[in-house]
Amino acid sequence: ILNVEQSPQSLHVQEGDSTNFTCSFPSSNFYALHWYRWETAKSPEALFVMTLNGDEKKKGRISATLNTKEGYSYLYIKGSQPEDSATYLCAFYRSGGSNYKLTFGKGTLLTVNP
Amino acid sequence: EAQVTQNPRYLITVTGKKLTVTCSQNMNHEYMSWYRQDPGLGLRQIYYSMNVEVTDKGDVPEGYKVSRKEKRNFPLILESPSPNQTSLYFCASREGVFYEQFFGPGTRLTVL
Repeated sequence: ILNVEQSPQSLHVQEGDSTNFTCSFPSSNFYALHWYRWETAKSPEALFVMTLNGDEKKKGRISATLNTKEGYSYLYIKGSQPEDSATYLCAFYRSGGSNYKLTFGKGTLLTVNP
Repeated sequence: EAQVTQNPRYLITVTGKKLTVTCSQNMNHEYMSWYRQDPGLGLRQIYYSMNVEVTDKGDVPEGYKVSRKEKRNFPLILESPSPNQTSLYFCASREGVFYEQFFGPGTRLTVL
């Protein structure tokens, strides 16, 4: 089983603050990295799929970067809003053989206080 | 509407009584997966399928079976449920390796 680590486990910020969290993954046999947003009582929804070293993706106030050589990805939220409160999951896709399965981290729980 | 559906959404059952959780997707995706979510453990993959009649074990396959007879359906079978299978289960599908995954609404299973 691969280790995908996310930090911090949880985070409380004030409305308007910008924040970021980290996803660490094994740098060997990298194939793709996914970010998902998971609101309470709902299903995870995809934010980004990143495949190339140096990739930067953006969706509104949320952006992500990828460093495959050192095995990490950052997710940034600019000007956090209460509706950004959710668990943010990253998932790592490793190449090799037929084992193309997605391994999830445990997530970062973000709470944005109004 | 493109979606992944699961049934039932909630189920309370007793130890040893066989059950099936259905999963269906209408996006013609080749890849489908089952996950369970437990507090403190995150999402863990149970089984996945790369295409019809092609399935493989994930990280926690013990006590579960799957089948993929049609592209759209990927049922999860618990032949003899036990209390340690009490969990929140998600089915998911995606077009391919580099594509986002779409999750179903989840099935909350309680085994007494």
